[in-house]
Amino acid sequence: AQSVTQLGSHVSVSEGALVLLRCNYSSSVPPYLFWYVQYPNQGLQLLLKYTTGATLVKGINGFEAEFKKSETSFHLTKPSAHMSDAAEYFCAVSGKAGTALIFGKGTTLSVSS
Amino acid sequence: DTGVSQDPRHKITKRGQNVTFRCDPISEHNRLYWYRQTLGQGPEFLTYFQNEAQLEKSRLLSDRFSAERPKGSFSTLEIQRTEQGDSAMYLCASRGTDIWDTEAFFGQGTRLTVV
Repeated sequence: AQSVTQLGSHVSVSEGALVLLRCNYSSSVPPYLFWYVQYPNQGLQLLLKYTTGATLVKGINGFEAEFKKSETSFHLTKPSAHMSDAAEYFCAVSGKAGTALIFGKGTTLSVSS
Repeated sequence: DTGVSQDPRHKITKRGQNVTFRCDPISEHNRLYWYRQTLGQGPEFLTYFQNEAQLEKSRLLSDRFSAERPKGSFSTLEIQRTEQGDSAMYLCASRGTDIWDTEAFFGQGTRLTVV
């Protein structure tokens, strides 16, 4: 069985500040890990993913995440927030390719000027 | 290819009515998933198809819900005797055939409101 916990349902940062969104997972098999972003009334867009190999993965829009097996974490970071980053962010886990993604409850990111 | 397409985008229905949603996946993708998302929550898995075979169903998928994927192309999700608790965004996603096709591509969703 797999599950995802996103710590903090709402994160607020100032424009230009560091963004840190936390995700911890539970998986009985080696996980595939994902971060998706969702804008109001839209579907989900993939930001980045970890499958195998390098544990620091870079995604779109300047986001990156690091897979830490010992901490069962996959936190999302961005060095400098932009107003356009304001959205809902979801961490997800799946097992082998093909199995369904299991999502966390999401974190709303607000960016103030 | 324009990605995963869902129709309609919005649906308002009276309690007790039946509704049907359609999902057209990316053309070469053989895996198709349905999710339900309520306000303030992450998407919850409902069911999964590989080609035309429905391989997995969540316990969330009550007997009022049925999904099909005839010929392994588009899929439909039907809700019978809708209840107010069915109000949600219904998301469809598809994935490719290759074992390395780990990314799921999502449609824009169908927002259902039951009044």
